[in-house]
Amino acid sequence: AIQMTQSPSSLSASVGDRVTITCRASQDIRDELSWYQQKPGNAPKLLIYGASSLQTGVPSRFSGSGSGTDFTLTVSSLQPEDLATYYCLQDYNYPRTFGQGTKVEIK
Amino acid sequence: EVQLVESGGGLVQPGGSLRVSCAASGFTFSSDWMIWVRQAPGKGLEWVANTNQDGSKKYYMDSVKGRFTISRDNGKNSLFLQMNSLKVEDTAVYYCVRDVSPHNYDAFDIWGQGTMVTVSS
Repeated sequence: AIQMTQSPSSLSASVGDRVTITCRASQDIRDELSWYQQKPGNAPKLLIYGASSLQTGVPSRFSGSGSGTDFTLTVSSLQPEDLATYYCLQDYNYPRTFGQGTKVEIK
Repeated sequence: EVQLVESGGGLVQPGGSLRVSCAASGFTFSSDWMIWVRQAPGKGLEWVANTNQDGSKKYYMDSVKGRFTISRDNGKNSLFLQMNSLKVEDTAVYYCVRDVSPHNYDAFDIWGQGTMVTVSS
């Protein structure tokens, strides 16, 4: 199975900061990656699919980039409501695999 | 309203069986791939299984192959996960999820609230 490794595992940033989360695949997965946000006590929410396509209704401060093995989720200006854990997911082959998650806290 | 509602979770002993269900509404259920994703208490997300629109294709994570079976009833807009030979490590919230599959990418855009399955003696 393809291993997905996220970094960092957690981070703390201030409102207005630019935040970057990285996801690395153990093999080339082209652009077949999505990003999810899970707020405490809630089900996950789709942010990005196809590595860089923004899901309808998601604020434009979220963006995704990358291809091959290295991917990035960027929040251009962190907001209080962005407190959450973020996960990447590869859909290049089966079984699908998630990263271990990155917990974002607000300073 | 577009929604997925899971049911059927509960407490079961190791080695036992349980069937969880998911009722879909507000969209054309028969048009979409459907998925089960689980999350153990305090842990990350795990993709468990998926099935295509007519149920003819099914894929599983390695640790549940031969024990879990995903199925669907398009006439009743329902998704199921039959879980046999349950292990303590199967304890998790089980989410029913729709994959809207834009341009053949996975895109899990609708999630249920989850149903808790606890495997314990």
